[in-house]
Amino acid sequence: QVQLQQSGAELVKPGTSVKLSCKASGYTFTSNHMNWIKQTTGQGLEWIGIINPGSGGTSYNVKFKGKATLTVDKSSSTAFMQLSSLTPEDSAVYYCASLFDFWGPGTMVTVSS
Amino acid sequence: DVVMTQTPVSMSVSLGGQVSISCRSSQSLVHNNGNTYLSWYIQKPSQSPQLLIYKVSNRFSGISDRFSGSGSGTDFTLKISRVEPDDLGVYYCGQGTQYPFTFGSGTKLEIK
Repeated sequence: QVQLQQSGAELVKPGTSVKLSCKASGYTFTSNHMNWIKQTTGQGLEWIGIINPGSGGTSYNVKFKGKATLTVDKSSSTAFMQLSSLTPEDSAVYYCASLFDFWGPGTMVTVSS
Repeated sequence: DVVMTQTPVSMSVSLGGQVSISCRSSQSLVHNNGNTYLSWYIQKPSQSPQLLIYKVSNRFSGISDRFSGSGSGTDFTLKISRVEPDDLGVYYCGQGTQYPFTFGSGTKLEIK
């Protein structure tokens, strides 16, 4: 069965970066595009961007360009999202989703000094 | 960006009852390829969203036929019949026709 295993919760300081991971299993990793989504209480669900694991090609929501960088490691069937120059507004739960068919459990990121 | 407007914001239904949730998009969701990429998701308490319906009316694998989707263009509806306790949660519509993909703000379903 398809499973997406996301990395654990992060508590990080403002101005720093964090790299989240999403390890896929149960399907051919390079067959399905991977989406990343941000969820906050106030803003609901926001689409960050998408990556083609086969080619590495990406598309980003303009709102998150410069904030998020999507990459993959095909050898480990893992997708990554790096968030940079973190501010308290980046505090949220971040999901990876294979297409939008299967979602990971989410990673909570808290940005606080 | 395509704005997705869901109504109502919340609703309460008795077990066995039926509910309808509306989702309207600010632009047509018909893609150049003729498909309409409108999906419905449920987020149960303390869980991640899960896909219920894709391309307006197609139930995802394992989804009960109590869930049905309909609509076209900019107006879409999710219907849930014979409501069960496990149906409680927040329902979202989402569009995958145009970048950036966008979601509605959610409809919270409570069981009376």
